[in-house]
Formats: sequence, structure tokens, C-alpha cells
Amino acid sequence: QVQLVQAGGAAKTPGASVKVSCKASGYTFTDYYMHWVRQAPGEGLEWMGWISPNSGGTNYAQKFQGRVTMTRDTSISTAYMELSRLRSDDTAVYFCASDLEYGMDVWGQGTTVTVSS
Amino acid sequence: DIQMTQSPSSLSASVGDRVTLTCRASQTIDIYLNWYQKKPGGAPHLLIYSASSLHSGVPSRFSGSGSGTDFTLTISSLQPEDFATYYCQQSYTTPSFGQGTKVELK
Repeated sequence: QVQLVQAGGAAKTPGASVKVSCKASGYTFTDYYMHWVRQAPGEGLEWMGWISPNSGGTNYAQKFQGRVTMTRDTSISTAYMELSRLRSDDTAVYFCASDLEYGMDVWGQGTTVTVSS
Repeated sequence: DIQMTQSPSSLSASVGDRVTLTCRASQTIDIYLNWYQKKPGGAPHLLIYSASSLHSGVPSRFSGSGSGTDFTLTISSLQPEDFATYYCQQSYTTPSFGQGTKVELK
């Protein structure tokens, strides 16, 4: 079945970088954009950007430009989101989501990233 | 960037109640509006896309309406599994979410 599986969580110190993975299965990975969305504790959903797995083209939210890099490896149907210069307010659950039809209709289970000294 | 504003921020309701949530865009977004349900510890789930189309597998008690800048999500008869936070999201331009409406048990 169609699913997105994310790797386990990570604990990082301020200033470090984190790379979160999202493996797709059950559909043609290169046919649909992959979005990244995060939710900080007690906060709402925040869109970070998308990547076209076909072309590698990206569109980042202005807030994250310069700190986020989205990439993909089509050979293993996996998308990645790397966030650098981490701060404590980057502590959040990070989700990948694909829009196979309309809207973000398939979601990963989320990856918890904790930033603390 | 398009700002999405949801109201109310939270509401208390009982099982069986009819509930209406509102989402307003800072500029027109035609019908490029999606609704999601989010429960603690879980991933969001798409409920409604293109303002009023029900996503596959979503119960028919959920419905959406609106166009332009004003949208609503209605739950016709609230069920125990519906207590959650609901988010609207525009896909007219660079995506953005509303701040959410938490539906709690009265």
C-alpha cells in the first residue's frame, strides 16, 4: 500500500544540523511532490517546503531559506530534509507528506527532533 | 504570503452536536483550500480538498464549503473519534496552514 516511512528521532545540540529521511513505497516516487511540515510542541502545523522528486527542484518557505536543504535519492525512493544551524525552537516533529491526488494525502509518521544543550 | 486565520481557536461540544469551523484567507484563493484532522501523537489526515471534495474514506458527516476568502468545515454529528485539532491549508500559492481549531469534549 501507499506509505511514507520516516527514520527515528534525533537529539541535537544548538548549531548542529539534522537530516531527516522519508522513504516512499506503493507509488511512483518521482511522479509527486514531497512536502515537509513540522509541528513544534504546543504549536500548529508549519509548512517548510517541497521537493520535486523528478527534477530535484525545490521551493522553500521564506522562513527556512538558507537553513533548509531538501534532496532526494530516486534509486531508493527516499526524500531528505536537512536543517542546519539548529536552535532550541527547531524542536519539533517533522513530517513528510506527498500530494498524490489533491492536498497532502499521504503522510509519514513523523520524526521527532529535539534540540537542547 | 497568504495568511490563513481559523476561528474559533477552540470549542467545546458534545457527541451528536453539529459543529462548524471557519477559515479565512488574507486574499482570494479560489477553492484551493484543504482541511486536515490532527490528533496528538499522530500524523495529520486529509479530510477535504478543493474546499468541498471529500477525501477517500472520510465519513460523510464531514463537509466543506466556501470559495474566495471564506471557508467552513462542518461536522454534522460529532462522534467520539472526531475530538481533535483541525487545520485549513491553502494550496493557491506557496502552501500555508491556519493556526488550528481544537475541538474538545464539553
